[in-house]
Amino acid sequence: AQSVTQLDSQVPVFEEAPVELRCNYSSSVSVYLFWYVQYPNQGLQLLLKYLSGSTLVESINGFEAEFNKSQTSFHLRKPSVHISDTAEYFCAVSDRNSGYSTLTFGKGTMLLVSP
Amino acid sequence: EAQVTQNPRYLITVTGKKLTVTCSQNMNHEYMSWYRQDPGLGLRQIYYSMNVEVTDKGDVPEGYKVSRKEKRNFPLILESPSPNQTSLYFCASSLFPGGDYGYTFGSGTRLTVV
Repeated sequence: AQSVTQLDSQVPVFEEAPVELRCNYSSSVSVYLFWYVQYPNQGLQLLLKYLSGSTLVESINGFEAEFNKSQTSFHLRKPSVHISDTAEYFCAVSDRNSGYSTLTFGKGTMLLVSP
Repeated sequence: EAQVTQNPRYLITVTGKKLTVTCSQNMNHEYMSWYRQDPGLGLRQIYYSMNVEVTDKGDVPEGYKVSRKEKRNFPLILESPSPNQTSLYFCASSLFPGGDYGYTFGSGTRLTVV
């Protein structure tokens, strides 16, 4: 069985500061890893994903995440946040060896960016 | 526009009154799923469907039913709602489950049972 732990339920930061949202996973098999973002009153949107290859993946709006197999982590980072990045962020994992594995989500981290 | 459409967006009902939340996708996705989102608990899967007429329980199926008679529709049925089913519900679809395709989510249905 898979599980995802997001270590912080809430992360307050000031605008233009760097941020890291932490995610650790547990799985007995190889995995795909995802970050989803949920803006207020909206559904979840895929932010970025790690499938294979380079362990550093990037999104179009400046976020990046690094897959660390030895530490079973997939932390999300941004060097300089904007007010508009205020949202809840969910880390998720699925089993890469199964074509019919469902997505398991963490409990979410609320990123609060203030001026 | 490719999307997952849920209706209604908001619903207030009374205990025991049967209700259905509809979900429809226009992307010809095989896989569809229902989640509930509660503060501090994240998203928990209620039911999922691999394809037409194929459904299975997720982590929290008690008190819910689903059906998948057509590929595009995956309604969530609460036959006798109770206050502990007050939550934010999301429908999601994917070309295939998990894997590398990611999910497309609906905008959510906020249900209050009084």
